[in-house]
Amino acid sequence: EAQVTQNPRYLITVTGKKLTVTCSQNMNHEYMSWYRQDPGLGLRQIYYSMNVEVTDKGDVPEGYKVSRKEKRNFPLILESPSPNQTSLYFCASSLSMRADNSPLHFGNGTRLTVT
Amino acid sequence: GENVEQHPSTLSVQEGDSAVIKCTYSDSASNYFPWYKQELGKRPQLIIDIRSNVGEKKDQRIAVTLNKTAKHFSLHITETQPEDSAVYFCAAMEGGADGLTFGKGTHLIIQP
Repeated sequence: EAQVTQNPRYLITVTGKKLTVTCSQNMNHEYMSWYRQDPGLGLRQIYYSMNVEVTDKGDVPEGYKVSRKEKRNFPLILESPSPNQTSLYFCASSLSMRADNSPLHFGNGTRLTVT
Repeated sequence: GENVEQHPSTLSVQEGDSAVIKCTYSDSASNYFPWYKQELGKRPQLIIDIRSNVGEKKDQRIAVTLNKTAKHFSLHITETQPEDSAVYFCAAMEGGADGLTFGKGTHLIIQP
């Protein structure tokens, strides 16, 4: 089954403790992206990657890192989490953001709480 | 960069009536406008999209219209059903850009 898989689904952590949220897609998609969803603010892009070894900042990149060493994986890293990073995170992928009939596929989300 | 405004933030309609959600965008170079539906506790899923070379697109009970001159696009749902209750997000992507800019969402409530 074609899908975007995020892990974990739920995570509670403390301020300053490094964490990684994994994202993997099995559709051979070139484009991958991370969003955070907060009440009243919609979906805001954190980082994106057009292809392997190519990553760029989105609208809210502060406090986050990403890597794209393999085409299928795009982990989100919080080196020193803070309470304002408590949010619902979505990974998404697309064959290509510039091609017709290439919609964005979302993972099931990771709900992160930083205390 | 692109800025997308979405209205209303909450919309309540009677089952069987129509619902309309409107979005405006700022960058005239934007050329791709998808709509996503997010049910409670689930991921956003694409329901319909339109590119700037057409003015309207339909898929059964849902349709999207685009007015490039005014820089706004709308989602129309006819004969609403309880399963249409969800949060709907519009988005826009400017030509040459590398990602979607989303509106803040509309919570659609279908009253029985």
